Parts: sequence; C-alpha cells; structure tokens
Amino acid sequence: QQPVQSPQAVILREGEDAVINCSSSKALYSVHWYRQKHGEAPVFLMILLKGGEQKGHDKISASFNEKKQQSSLYLTASQLSYSGTYFCGTEWDAGNMLTFGGGTRLMVKP
Amino acid sequence: DGGITQSPKYLFRKEGQNVTLSCEQNLNHDAMYWYRQDPGQGLRLIYYSQIVNDFQKGDIAEGYSVSREKKESFPLTVTSAQKNPTAFYLCASSWAGVPTDTQYFGPGTRLTVL
Repeated sequence: QQPVQSPQAVILREGEDAVINCSSSKALYSVHWYRQKHGEAPVFLMILLKGGEQKGHDKISASFNEKKQQSSLYLTASQLSYSGTYFCGTEWDAGNMLTFGGGTRLMVKP
Repeated sequence: DGGITQSPKYLFRKEGQNVTLSCEQNLNHDAMYWYRQDPGQGLRLIYYSQIVNDFQKGDIAEGYSVSREKKESFPLTVTSAQKNPTAFYLCASSWAGVPTDTQYFGPGTRLTVL
C-alpha cells in the first residue's frame, strides 16, 4: 500500500520551517526522500534505515520512527530553492521495491 | 559524465500505436526501473530489472512491455493495450542488492496520446 504523506501542500515564506510526514500502514525497513522540481526528475535527498535514526543534509534533516511506522522530513530556514514536490519512498523489507507516497508540494515565497 | 538519459523528452502518439521510450545509463548500475507519474500524483512502478535478460512486473505493468538485452539499456514499449497512456515516464537505476540502494532518475519522457 502507498504511504500517506502530509500535508499535501504547504506555502512558506523564506526563512520559515516546515515538516513533511510520511506514514505507512506496514512496518518499514527504510524510507527514501526525494525532491522533484516541476517537469524534472526527482533528486535523491537521503535514505533512513530502521532503527530510529536521524540524518541531516545542510538545513534539511529527517527522522525515522520505526515504532510509529513514520518518517518526517524537516526543512529549516527555508530557501527559495527548496520549492518543489517532496516524495517519500518506502521499503517494507530488505530488497523490496520502493513504494512512493503521493507527494507534498512545497512553495517558498520571498 | 555519468548519468541516465531518456529520449525523447516529449512524445506524441496517435491512439492505437505502439511507442518505445528509450532509457540508457552509464553508471554501471545493475538495476533499472520504469515509473509512471500522473499530474499531481506520486510515482508508480511499471517494470524493473535487476539483471540482464530478466525483468519483473511492477504495480501497473498491463499495457507495457520491456526488454533488458544490455546492462546499460532498458527500453519501455507502451502498447495500444494501455488504455490511458498519457503521462510522464521516468526511468531510474541503482546498484542492486540489500538494502535497496539509492535510485537515480533520468529527466523523463512526457507522452501525450492524441
């Protein structure tokens, strides 16, 4: 089943923070986060493996709560370049194919 | 430069025609994938291949066919049996193995059926 992302869309002013959630109805092995600009290919951000780890990538970080079967992506002090659609891809077991969520559209305004 | 190329970028097809989308990678990746993306929606897996001469159906394989004769190439044919083929098609590749490795995406082909 497809993971559920929330919110579906968010509008920010430059410098504001945002949180995007990715929830699964099944236990997760890993979560992959991607960002896609309109009409372009998704770009890889980070992978989180089960174990409740947190990763950081400049001002974008993510956590993985295995118990809650959920991952959250944190965007801090947002920049105009952060605009795009964010997708999570979930893997339910090692070696399974990724199943992507419906995406969260993020718009950062000056 | 290493990467994934897809051609053409835009493709128009008449109803009832088969069309083949190209995907080539020079990353020496073992695994390759085809996804379909409809407006405002996520990515849905059509087919994937983890080794040459072998491929598996994804969630929405009906009306599509693939081949994997070379490691670097994974063409997708959209057949006339696909009832609603207008979409954005993305090809991706990764190292095969456990755990699933990062998937790198090509620039996509936008297919429109007239």
